[in-house]
Amino acid sequence: DTEVTQTPKHLVMGMTNKKSLKCEQHMGHRAMYWYKQKAKKPPELMFVYSYEKLSINESVPSRFSPECPNSSLLNLHLHALQPEDSALYLCASSHTRSGGTAFGKLFFGSGTQLSVL
Amino acid sequence: KQEVTQIPAALSVPEGENLVLNCSFTDSAIYNLQWFRQDPGKGLTSLLLIQSSQREQTSGRLNASLDKSSGRSTLYIAASQPGDSATYLCAVEGLDTDKLIFGTGTRLQVFP
Repeated sequence: DTEVTQTPKHLVMGMTNKKSLKCEQHMGHRAMYWYKQKAKKPPELMFVYSYEKLSINESVPSRFSPECPNSSLLNLHLHALQPEDSALYLCASSHTRSGGTAFGKLFFGSGTQLSVL
Repeated sequence: KQEVTQIPAALSVPEGENLVLNCSFTDSAIYNLQWFRQDPGKGLTSLLLIQSSQREQTSGRLNASLDKSSGRSTLYIAASQPGDSATYLCAVEGLDTDKLIFGTGTRLQVFP
């Protein structure tokens, strides 16, 4: 199984709503990522989890709250978002870095297209 | 700070042409370089990964080369097909940063 599964595929929410994005992989990867991508732009890194611990937070606003409940799951909790947060949210996974090795190949999910009204 | 640039930004060609997409990066201290394909509104699919010690990688009609010293990589697509239409992104993994740095992308359209 070389898939990263993201749900939902599409999400429309109001600025007062609370919602969650979910990501799952069963490749044994211990590094998981959230990226945000605006139209016609490259993906921007938001968060990195390594061994279920947050290792990188790219100064993301607190209205985005990541969670890694176990080695296969990654969530992104959304609250009080702004219209400018509308974007494609991508989850990815890879092996972790250790002993001077690289992450190697990243596997991406198909993304959640989020619209904030 | 690593910067990754891709040229051209967009390319439209007839079916059957051989194509070269370019990627340049400013810091040669990298573990590897990856090429990805992205269809509109979809996730990224890894096409090829070249380790810093390698010169090229091949998969089917795709060939990617890496010249680390000059900070360049090229993705060669042989005998292009309409199904190759997508955005192609390169990304480098630096030695001193725990993240991939993506290039600006090349939007490719192959018409019949």
